[in-house]
Amino acid sequence: GNSVTQMEGPVTLSEEAFLTINCTYTATGYPSLFWYVQYPGEGLQLLLKATKADDKGSNKGFEATYRKETTSFHLEKGSVQVSDSAVYFCALRKGSGGSYIPTFGRGTSLIVHP
Amino acid sequence: DTEVTQTPKHLVMGMTNKKSLKCEQHMGHRAMYWYKQKAKKPPELMFVYSYEKLSINESVPSRFSPECPNSSLLNLHLHALQPEDSALYLCASSQQYSGLDNEQFFGPGTRLTVL
Repeated sequence: GNSVTQMEGPVTLSEEAFLTINCTYTATGYPSLFWYVQYPGEGLQLLLKATKADDKGSNKGFEATYRKETTSFHLEKGSVQVSDSAVYFCALRKGSGGSYIPTFGRGTSLIVHP
Repeated sequence: DTEVTQTPKHLVMGMTNKKSLKCEQHMGHRAMYWYKQKAKKPPELMFVYSYEKLSINESVPSRFSPECPNSSLLNLHLHALQPEDSALYLCASSQQYSGLDNEQFFGPGTRLTVL
């Protein structure tokens, strides 16, 4: 079946540091890939997405590139802020004859200190 | 309006109570979802409604009963819950259920505590 593996957190950084959160996936065919962010006490918000190989999703300074050869979709940001502290979920959605139910990774908590 | 609203924000109930969670969206979306999220875990899908019809039930116990009265509203009726059902219940919607590119919009959730 489909699966998403994320690095275990928490990831603790100082403000303005570079962020990478690793995400790899297992799926047949060509899934769409997503990063969601969940701030404390809130629901999930879509941060960015990519629907085919080599696509780069970007939003609010975050980027991730769909790498089919390494089955990865790592999240990066050049300079994090305290307000980026949240839990980040990598997810995939596979269609074309199969289920469209999203598969989420375990989530990675990011803590940014001033 | 790109918002999914959920009420109540918090709910405390006993194991013999009957209560309902409500979700509303006015984006014209035709797919709506209920998720359950335990602390420090990803959301787990419970139900999917597509065009007001129940499309997916992920083997959820019958003490959870979903209802979709119209295309904008989704309810989750709760009866005889157990303490282990305490969690954050998230509602989401998307333009359609099928299609890879259909972004899900999530509500803020209802924090449920079962005593």
